[in-house]
Amino acid sequence: ETGVTQTPRHLVMGMTNKKSLKCEQHLGHNAMYWYKQSAKKPLELMFVYNFKEQTENNSVPSRFSPECPNSSHLFLHLHTLQPEDSALYLCASSQGQGDEKLFFGSGTQLSVL
Amino acid sequence: RKEVEQDPGPFNVPEGATVAFNCTYSNSASQSFFWYRQDCRKEPKLLMSVYSSGNEDGRFTAQLNRASQYISLLIRDSKLSDSATYLCVLDTGGFKTIFGAGTRLFVKA
Repeated sequence: ETGVTQTPRHLVMGMTNKKSLKCEQHLGHNAMYWYKQSAKKPLELMFVYNFKEQTENNSVPSRFSPECPNSSHLFLHLHTLQPEDSALYLCASSQGQGDEKLFFGSGTQLSVL
Repeated sequence: RKEVEQDPGPFNVPEGATVAFNCTYSNSASQSFFWYRQDCRKEPKLLMSVYSSGNEDGRFTAQLNRASQYISLLIRDSKLSDSATYLCVLDTGGFKTIFGAGTRLFVKA
């Protein structure tokens, strides 16, 4: 039990669908992250929020839209995705005070048809 | 040049063996260094931080060489349960954490 929970665990969607990924952390952390992990590639940082403020947007296409209503919750809204967006999407949190040790959720395995 | 480079492996070793992984990085301003472990179809989990003075946690020893820009992980007395992908990770500051592609380890009975 990592203290970071993600839902859903698996998601299949068509290119015209709109869906959202949810992440919640119970660790009292201040920073939350979205990472994308494609097969045989390193984790790619997508977005970072620290104290609810977005501090990093790593040139992610606008079809991915993050939302961070408070330090414990993070969403990733998806619309008009492409098949190449199929990947494992991982949420993580950290204390937000430097020397950032990341704690990950179990991820959402996304398939875009 | 990639920011973090690791030998993808796989490393196939028998139980009880000692195995070492290296990782090189290009950003000399990198501030913090870590090794994470990722099991198949699971999320990455922090294994240990890496310090210039070297640090040890049981069978695991990590070392940082800032001058040569590499970090290492040594696993002694390998167990079957050590089979996983080991990720080299840098924190370059400003919440920008960069992951290597990982080194796969298989420990055989």
